[in-house]
Amino acid sequence: ILNVEQSPQSLHVQEGDSTNFTCSFPSSNFYALHWYRWETAKSPEALFVMTLNGDEKKKGRISATLNTKEGYSYLYIKGSQPEDSATYLCAFYGGATNKLIFGTGTLLAVQP
Amino acid sequence: GAVVSQHPSRVICKSGTSVKIECRSLDFQATTMFWYRQFPKQSLMLMATSNEGSKATYEQGVEKDKFLINHASLTLSTLTVTSAHPEDSSFYICSARVASDTQYFGPGTRLTVL
Repeated sequence: ILNVEQSPQSLHVQEGDSTNFTCSFPSSNFYALHWYRWETAKSPEALFVMTLNGDEKKKGRISATLNTKEGYSYLYIKGSQPEDSATYLCAFYGGATNKLIFGTGTLLAVQP
Repeated sequence: GAVVSQHPSRVICKSGTSVKIECRSLDFQATTMFWYRQFPKQSLMLMATSNEGSKATYEQGVEKDKFLINHASLTLSTLTVTSAHPEDSSFYICSARVASDTQYFGPGTRLTVL
């Protein structure tokens, strides 16, 4: 059974703090790692699709890194703002399964 | 671009009735759409892959006669929960895939079966 784990489950930070969370995934048969941002009552929004070991992607104040050999990805948010409050999901896409396997997400709450 | 709508957003029904959920890609065509289900405190779990013009592919443990999927056009897939029971109460969400492998999600449907 393929397992994708995210930590922490939830995180409360103050506005302006930088934060990061982790996604762990199987290191074999890796094809891609997806990150999504999901605000309450809205559609999950695609942030990054990462495919290469050592890759780093950036979108504004959000960036992500990828280590396929050890099976983890970090998502960083620099200078968190209240509008960053959301659940951040990662999903592993492996060649063997041909489907996205999601983690349970990290719920981020940014206090003004 | 790449907007997916889902309707209804919330539905409450009596046990034994059927419920249809629609998933539409508004500004692009999607040959493949996906249906997921999420129970409380669990991750999104793929139920089935819906291919335009052909039969859906169901994941292990998902009853195809209970969860009917129709993908009659490149912009519309429907999921019908037949003879719904309280244990079918869940959050159902669809997505559509484009060539880049990114999946674009609808906002989901909260189903409550009384």
